[in-house]
Amino acid sequence: QVQLQESGPGLVKPSQTLSLTCTVSGGSISSDGYYWSWIRQHPGKGLEWIGYIYYRGNVDYNSSLKSRASISLDTSKNQFSLKLTSVTAADTAMYYCARTDTTYYYDRSGFSSFFDDWGQGTLVTVSS
Amino acid sequence: DIQMTQSPSSLSASVGDRIVTITCRASRDISGFLNWYQQKRGKAPQLLIFASSRLRSGVPSRFSASGSGTDFTLTISSPQPEDFGTYYCQQSYSTPYTFGPGTIVDV
Repeated sequence: QVQLQESGPGLVKPSQTLSLTCTVSGGSISSDGYYWSWIRQHPGKGLEWIGYIYYRGNVDYNSSLKSRASISLDTSKNQFSLKLTSVTAADTAMYYCARTDTTYYYDRSGFSSFFDDWGQGTLVTVSS
Repeated sequence: DIQMTQSPSSLSASVGDRIVTITCRASRDISGFLNWYQQKRGKAPQLLIFASSRLRSGVPSRFSASGSGTDFTLTISSPQPEDFGTYYCQQSYSTPYTFGPGTIVDV
């Protein structure tokens, strides 16, 4: 089990860029089989996966964000980050970082993946 | 994208109840790539079940789950007061990973 902690501004102005960092402790961000995800939850709503990154550079994003999201990582600091450009009020949400475990072999279909450890979340409000 | 639905949207359970059941349905076949999470108010979701039926270490054995393809079930046997919260299913068959809308359990 690892610990994750989100950090970043809690208030962002419309049209600007939201920037968050997740600091991982208790394990290496360069561990094989573990991807690092960002997930958000609009107030009183469900969960939306934003995207993930792997230490070898693989990234994937939810197309619903229309290419506004960018995830990077800094192995020297054991951190990964999210940037979301051109934000609007619709981006107001609780943002979570989470470890994505892909090491469980399910069957010949492949490996299962799941979010096994989460940060506590950080609320980002988009408002002028 | 794979759409996930859950039913019921909310339920009320008593400690004396034998079983609480939540259903999750995927918009297409996802084999057994289905996970369940519990979220309490003001907290991050916590993984309960992965790969359709595998109980995460440390999760009480009163939680169980089953299913494959498009239909899945989470069962809480003899629910306890601490089992209140919102339960989400999530498919990991393909990205974008998607979650169900959640089931609010009031114990």
